[in-house]
Amino acid sequence: EAQVTQNPRYLITVTGKKLTVTCSQNMNHEYMSWYRQDPGLGLRQIYYSMNVEVTDKGDVPEGYKVSRKEKRNFPLILESPSPNQTSLYFCASSLSVLATYGYTFGSGTRLTVV
Amino acid sequence: AQTVTQSQPEMSVQEAETVTLSCTYDTSESDYYLFWYKQPPSRQMILVIRQEAYKQQNATENRFSVNFQKAAKSFSLKISDSQLGDAAMYFCAYRRSDNDMRFGAGTRLTVKP
Repeated sequence: EAQVTQNPRYLITVTGKKLTVTCSQNMNHEYMSWYRQDPGLGLRQIYYSMNVEVTDKGDVPEGYKVSRKEKRNFPLILESPSPNQTSLYFCASSLSVLATYGYTFGSGTRLTVV
Repeated sequence: AQTVTQSQPEMSVQEAETVTLSCTYDTSESDYYLFWYKQPPSRQMILVIRQEAYKQQNATENRFSVNFQKAAKSFSLKISDSQLGDAAMYFCAYRRSDNDMRFGAGTRLTVKP
């Protein structure tokens, strides 16, 4: 089944403890992206990647890191999480950056930082 | 940066009735795509419908249709014969050819039995 697999689904952590949210797609998609969803703000882009070893900042990149060493994987790293990073996170992918392609989304990660 | 505005934070509709969700966007581009995504309580983001800006004809998918007004930069979603399973958060999104997807703040739709 074609899908974006995102883990974990729920995560509660303490301030300052490094964490990684994994994202993997099996569709050979070039374009991958991370979003955070907050009430009243919709989805805002954190980082995106147009292909292997090519990543760039989105609208809200502060406090986050990403890497794209393989085409299928695009992990989101929080080196020192803070309470303002409590949010719902989505990984998404599309065949390419061309607008004709909508996104396939992961199932989301609910992160709470205490 | 392009912006997408959904002016209705919440909407409600009676089962079997019709409801329209509003979306406006701001862009200087002529070639782009517009999307509506549904997010039920399961959190999964589900593509409902897609519209290419260069097409005059409004997209339709079963009970879901759009009213695309390019000059007015408006892209509303009409849900006909509403069902309980339509209850969800709905996001309008915009994407141009070489860029990421921009989302509105969302409209929470309640369906009353």
